[in-house]
Amino acid sequence: NAGVTQTPKFRILKIGQSMTLQCAQDMNHNYMYWYRQDPGMGLKLIYYSVGAGITDKGEVPNGYNVSRSTTEDFPLRLELAAPSQTSVYFCASSERVETDTQYFGPGTRLTVL
Amino acid sequence: KNQVEQSPQSLIILEGKNCTLQCNYTVSPFSNLRWYKQDTGRGPVSLTIMTFSENTKSNGRYTATLDADTKQSSLHITASQLSDSASYICVVSPILTGGGNKLTFGTGTQLKVEL
Repeated sequence: NAGVTQTPKFRILKIGQSMTLQCAQDMNHNYMYWYRQDPGMGLKLIYYSVGAGITDKGEVPNGYNVSRSTTEDFPLRLELAAPSQTSVYFCASSERVETDTQYFGPGTRLTVL
Repeated sequence: KNQVEQSPQSLIILEGKNCTLQCNYTVSPFSNLRWYKQDTGRGPVSLTIMTFSENTKSNGRYTATLDADTKQSSLHITASQLSDSASYICVVSPILTGGGNKLTFGTGTQLKVEL
């Protein structure tokens, strides 16, 4: 199993550009999550999904959108990139919710200039 | 506001020595407490998960303890190795009545193991 994969690893955007961060998992997990990690801060939940076709906002959803058309894929869309979105983005998945381990991808380091 | 605070912020120890990392939380009520290891440039990897009714959980050289009364947890690393150099993150999961698992992450303790 590849686990959770993310592409790209690195990306530099100009202010106002848009992009999609890709996330895929091959563990048949229902739950998927997007987090951002800023220097010196704990991870913050952006969006999550409890299954195909179902998504919901996390703690810091502004400026982002997600979709979940399949169990495997959970892309994160940035519209009109801003310097405040410079961060490391992690995708994660888990089989269930309450007590299950979340498996994280390797991350995407995004810089907005 | 639910918070998770970790100490120390950073720590340097010699290979072979033991160390203990601390986590204090205010999340209440909570479902479980987790410790993750995050290597530089990588995603976090789960070490232990403890429910509120458990007070200790081991994973090899890593032992986590939980005192739900004082809202404190610790992660003890035995016989440290160079590969233990990483950030260790304490994460608390609240009891939710709706969907989603909105974990509260600490900022981590940066551990460096030296020869």
